[in-house]
Amino acid sequence: DSGVTQTPKHLITATGQRVTLRCSPRSGDLSVYWYQQSLDQGLQFLIQYYNGEERAKGNILERFSAQQFPDLHSELNLSSLELGDSALYFCASNRLDVDTQYFGPGTRLTVL
Amino acid sequence: AQTVTQSQPEMSVQEAETVTLSCTYDTSENNYYLFWYKQPPSRQMILVIRQEAYKQQNATENRFSVNFQKAAKSFSLKISDSQLGDTAMYFCAFIFNAGNMLTFGGGTRLMVKP
Repeated sequence: DSGVTQTPKHLITATGQRVTLRCSPRSGDLSVYWYQQSLDQGLQFLIQYYNGEERAKGNILERFSAQQFPDLHSELNLSSLELGDSALYFCASNRLDVDTQYFGPGTRLTVL
Repeated sequence: AQTVTQSQPEMSVQEAETVTLSCTYDTSENNYYLFWYKQPPSRQMILVIRQEAYKQQNATENRFSVNFQKAAKSFSLKISDSQLGDTAMYFCAFIFNAGNMLTFGGGTRLMVKP
């Protein structure tokens, strides 16, 4: 158990819908990272938050957004969902920038 | 741009034997951080080992060790005394200086056979 929690474990929804994925980092960790793992794109970095502020952005679609709350949990919002958004979404956390990132169990999103 | 390549999509090894997974990368940076992560069938991403590029000594973690060749831009993972529980997808990953995010290779699927 990494200490990072993610909910829900599985999510099945239809095209055009909006979903919210939630992540709670390890105790004491200030940074949260979101990654997408899909069959065709592999593991890709989406976005990083540090102590409530956006720190870095990767290949995140405009339909996707995220935020980190004062209690340091983070939410990833995916809207206008398409079939191609079906993937495993991971969040990871660490304390300092180059510290090892510890991953949550992931949320499997299926868009039908 | 930084790239990470794992040239072995699949490998297999007999239980108790040794196997080496390859990873090469390309970067113009001098300082970076290297990792191997394991993803078993449960899909959880689990850290196997970490190496700092400024350290000459290769990292070791129980049965897992790395061979880090900075000049050759190579970072291989050696698993000794392979166990059935080592069956998983293995990813090499890097944190380059320009950002804090992990850049992953495409993965190597390892099957340990009894």
